[in-house]
Amino acid sequence: EVQLVESGGGLVQPGGSLRLSCAASGFTFSSYWMHWVRQAPGKGLVWVSRINSDGSSTSYADSVKGRFTISRDNAKNTLYLQMNSLRAEDTAVYYCARADYDILTGYSRWGQGTLVTVSS
Amino acid sequence: SYELTQPPSVSVSPGQTARITCSGDALPKQYAYWYQQKPGQAPVLVIYKDSERPSGIPERFSGSSSGTTVTLTISGVQAEDEADYYCQSADSSVVFGGGTKLTVL
Repeated sequence: EVQLVESGGGLVQPGGSLRLSCAASGFTFSSYWMHWVRQAPGKGLVWVSRINSDGSSTSYADSVKGRFTISRDNAKNTLYLQMNSLRAEDTAVYYCARADYDILTGYSRWGQGTLVTVSS
Repeated sequence: SYELTQPPSVSVSPGQTARITCSGDALPKQYAYWYQQKPGQAPVLVIYKDSERPSGIPERFSGSSSGTTVTLTISGVQAEDEADYYCQSADSSVVFGGGTKLTVL
């Protein structure tokens, strides 16, 4: 069974850091581009970042560029999101997702999400 | 930056047809995808590449495209279809529409 399981969320003060993980199982992780998507409380989905299958290419939304870093360890079947200089507006549920129908879009597999709260 | 525009809300009675639109300048060149999200749950892909339905998605869900607008159609709406629906596409970056809350009266 294909599974994506996020972890690492929690409460952090403004300016702090957090690293999210997404453990993948049930498929050949190294074959897929992976994405992070977030959703602030009561708001819509927002794309955050993507990484190609071997980790050599990344891209970020303007709102997180320079503060967040996406990476992956294909040997451990794990996707990461290092979040630095966190702001209140980064408060959201963060989902990892697998791109199935295109490298950028069409996510047929999502994790359950992990909540990040940035507050003093 | 690229934007996708959806109506905030759509309401229909059970058994009727719901149509949710999504507009964006790049849609004539790029595929659109549709997601359903129920409260407290992760999104579920219901339409890919404008009009294709993933396995396991009921036939009452369909998609179409015309120019700069794509449309998600739910025929014979059921109470369980009440959810938020998001379109997605990509131009220079990935973008989601603002979401449409479907209410089944």
